[in-house]
Amino acid sequence: DAGVIQSPRHEVTEMGQEVTLRCKPISGHNSLFWYRQTMMRGLELLIYFNNNVPIDDSGMPEDRFSAKMPNASFSTLKIQPSEPRDSAVYFCASSLRGGGTGANVLTFGAGSRLTVL
Amino acid sequence: SQQGEEDPQALSIQEGENATMNCSYKTSINNLQWYRQNSGRGLVHLILIRSNEREKHSGRLRVTLDTSKKSSSLLITASRAADTASYFCATVAADRGSTLGRLYFGRGTQLTVWP
Repeated sequence: DAGVIQSPRHEVTEMGQEVTLRCKPISGHNSLFWYRQTMMRGLELLIYFNNNVPIDDSGMPEDRFSAKMPNASFSTLKIQPSEPRDSAVYFCASSLRGGGTGANVLTFGAGSRLTVL
Repeated sequence: SQQGEEDPQALSIQEGENATMNCSYKTSINNLQWYRQNSGRGLVHLILIRSNEREKHSGRLRVTLDTSKKSSSLLITASRAADTASYFCATVAADRGSTLGRLYFGRGTQLTVWP
């Protein structure tokens, strides 16, 4: 398996533009997570899905952020309109959860570095 | 917040020395995990220790867990320059969080190993 695949790896855009980040999780994984990493705030969980259903989106900063998972092999994180404070590295991670073990080991993608000017 | 807090924030050592990083957390956990992040890359899972375990080994890694003190430590023995990275602890809460599978990450320890 190629691992968790994210695109684009780098995105530079101007304030007000729409940004769409994409993620392909590991085949067979049933949970998908979107994290944001900045120097100031560290690694923040934005939203996560279980079996394509959003379970917890309490970390989504505001209405400008939205995430979808139309099927088990694809997810998007959209920012509209983007602002300079959205500049960060956005990570997608997936895991296989089951059996009630609560183990939930994550496999991360390489990240999408977003710069909003 | 349930987030783990790593200590120290930065650690600088020579090759061959041991590196110890600590993690403290606030609530009861189901398990605690350590991840590594090389500069410009995603996080990679290193080791998981469950709440009913006290110590675990994997190669040059040794993890301990003290649930009474709500703390964990990661020891890297005989460090190498290639161990230079940021190390994060992550906790899975023992309450409904374990069912939800939510992982809380700390801010990380930046380890630098000099040749």
